Amino acid sequence: DIVLTQSPDTLSLSPGEGATLSCRASQSVSSSYVAWYQQKPGQAPRLLIYTGSRRASGIPDRFSGSGSGTAFTLTISRLEPEDFAVYYCQEYGTSQFTFGPGTKVDIK
Amino acid sequence: QVLLVESGGGVVQPERSLRLSCEASGFTFNNHAIHWVRQAPGKGLEWVAVISFDGSNKHYADSVTGRFTISRDNSKNTLYLQMNSLRPEDTAVYYCARDQGASGYCSGGSCYGYYGMDVWGQGTTVTVSS
Repeated sequence: DIVLTQSPDTLSLSPGEGATLSCRASQSVSSSYVAWYQQKPGQAPRLLIYTGSRRASGIPDRFSGSGSGTAFTLTISRLEPEDFAVYYCQEYGTSQFTFGPGTKVDIK
Repeated sequence: QVLLVESGGGVVQPERSLRLSCEASGFTFNNHAIHWVRQAPGKGLEWVAVISFDGSNKHYADSVTGRFTISRDNSKNTLYLQMNSLRPEDTAVYYCARDQGASGYCSGGSCYGYYGMDVWGQGTTVTVSS
């Protein structure tokens, strides 16, 4: 089974700064099968990015996804106050639909 | 308004059973695959199961295979998760989530035709404890 590792565990930043979140897979994953989700406390997750780089409906363009093979990145160009949350990557190209452990982006 | 509403959670003893439901509204239910995803207290997301638009393809996480069964009734716009032989480690908030695709399938461990979960319910809590 594919294992996804996310880094860092926690990213402490100020509003207006940029954020780069990493997701690494234990074996190659097609970028067509990588998604990113945002989750705030007490809320359900929200789809941000799918097929590696496509923004989901209603997602602002400050969010972007990239990567291939075993290394994928979610970039938030300028953090808004509402962006402080936990972010999960997921692969959905295998029958285990694995999620990464998450990166928490908190306010510095 | 596109909605998924879960129900059926509660407190149950180990080895007992529970059935969760997820009622959909605001979209054409039988145009989408639907997943169950769970989140243990203070932990990350764990995918549980998926069913294709017509119920013909179902896949499960290794941790629940043989104990959980996913099903759907398209005439009622409702998804189900029958959970048997429950264990304390099944304690979690259970979410149903719509896949952007309809006819995804898995073969030989690889999956095709899924496009990420774009609509989520608010979750229902299952606690397995004696």
